[in-house]
Amino acid sequence: DIQVTQSPSSLSASVGDRVTITCRASQSIATYLNWYQQKSGKGPNLLIYAASSLQSGVPSRFSGSGSGTDFTLTITNLQPGDFATYYCQQAYNTPNTFGQGTRLEIK
Amino acid sequence: EVQLVESGGGLVQPGGSLRLSCAASGFTSSDYWMTWVRQAPGKGLEWVADIKQDGSEKYFVDSVKGRFTISRDNVKNSLYLQMNSLRDEDTAVYYCGRENSYDSGDYRFSPYYYIDVWGKGTTVTVSS
Repeated sequence: DIQVTQSPSSLSASVGDRVTITCRASQSIATYLNWYQQKSGKGPNLLIYAASSLQSGVPSRFSGSGSGTDFTLTITNLQPGDFATYYCQQAYNTPNTFGQGTRLEIK
Repeated sequence: EVQLVESGGGLVQPGGSLRLSCAASGFTSSDYWMTWVRQAPGKGLEWVADIKQDGSEKYFVDSVKGRFTISRDNVKNSLYLQMNSLRDEDTAVYYCGRENSYDSGDYRFSPYYYIDVWGKGTTVTVSS
């Protein structure tokens, strides 16, 4: 199975900040990488698919990049609603493993 | 409105069985792969299984192979997860998801799959 490692596991930031979360796959997955946001007690919400494609309805403050084994999710101008947990997921092959998550907290 | 609603969760003893259901509305589920993802208490997301539009292909994470079965009824627009020989470590919130796809048009690349619709989840607790 492909392992997916996210870093950091937690992150503190302030409203208006720019943050970056990284995801590393144990083998090349081209751009078969998705990003999700999950708020406490709710189901996840798709942000980015195919490494850099913004899901419809998601603010342009969210962006994704990378290919091969290294990927990043960048959030600019953090808003109060952005404080949540973020997961990457590889969709290169089955099982479509998730990273362990990055909890973004208010500083 | 596009929606997925899970049901069937509950408390079950180790070794027991449970059948989860997921009702789709607002779209034709037979047009999509469908998936189950779970989340143990305080833990991250774990992909569990998925099933092709016509049910002809099914995939499972190793930890549930031989114990869980995924199926669908396209007439009822529903997805199911039959869970047998349940273990403590199966305790989790189980989410149903729609797997959408994007084809780049480049013949060198397979379509990109992603879960674009999620249910609210149903809780399964395995405990004696």
